[in-house]
Amino acid sequence: GQQLNQSPQSMFIQEGEDVSMNCTSSSIFNTWLWYKQDPGEGPVLLIALYKAGELTSNGRLTAQFGITRKDSFLNISASIPSDVGIYFCAGQRQTSYDKVIFGPGTSLSVIP
Amino acid sequence: DVKVTQSSRYLVKRTGEKVFLECVQDMDHENMFWYRQDPGLGLRLIYFSYDVKMKEKGDIPEGYSVSREKKERFSLILESASTNQTSMYLCASSEETGGTFFGQGTRLTVV
Repeated sequence: GQQLNQSPQSMFIQEGEDVSMNCTSSSIFNTWLWYKQDPGEGPVLLIALYKAGELTSNGRLTAQFGITRKDSFLNISASIPSDVGIYFCAGQRQTSYDKVIFGPGTSLSVIP
Repeated sequence: DVKVTQSSRYLVKRTGEKVFLECVQDMDHENMFWYRQDPGLGLRLIYFSYDVKMKEKGDIPEGYSVSREKKERFSLILESASTNQTSMYLCASSEETGGTFFGQGTRLTVV
């Protein structure tokens, strides 16, 4: 079946550093989504991307929809302790009836 | 803002009990989903529904059933709970073009 790969699997960074993570697939997607999950909570949608090459920001977060439509990137600038959590990417081929495929997640730890 | 609400944050049930997990969304979304999340296994789709009274099996439907009698409500049913169904359960709903929104999760423990 379809699979998404996320890297790195986990990151330990100093507060104030920038963070980069990516998501790759062997399949083409029409929509890329990035989520953050805090411990014991449900994932929260951070950014949605709908077009190849699209670059979208949400505060300190910036995500890009890869030109090949097989990858996406998430950057966090000037990390703070509350950025700690698991970041999931997700891809969707069609709209409406098509299932969303989730990556395994990148665990981010921020050292104050 | 989209709101997906799960009826319980924490549940403890006994083996063999019938368990109902309820989920309500307030954005008139067509699609609703139930996932379970386990360490090292990520999010796994149990069932989904794209319309009232419609349901489709996901990747791990065994031991579960669902009910969608109203558009805003999607229930997950464990007919006879077992210890291997101890997990975090996440309900979600989605709109026509991208953006799947999750509830806060129900942590179910079966003893």
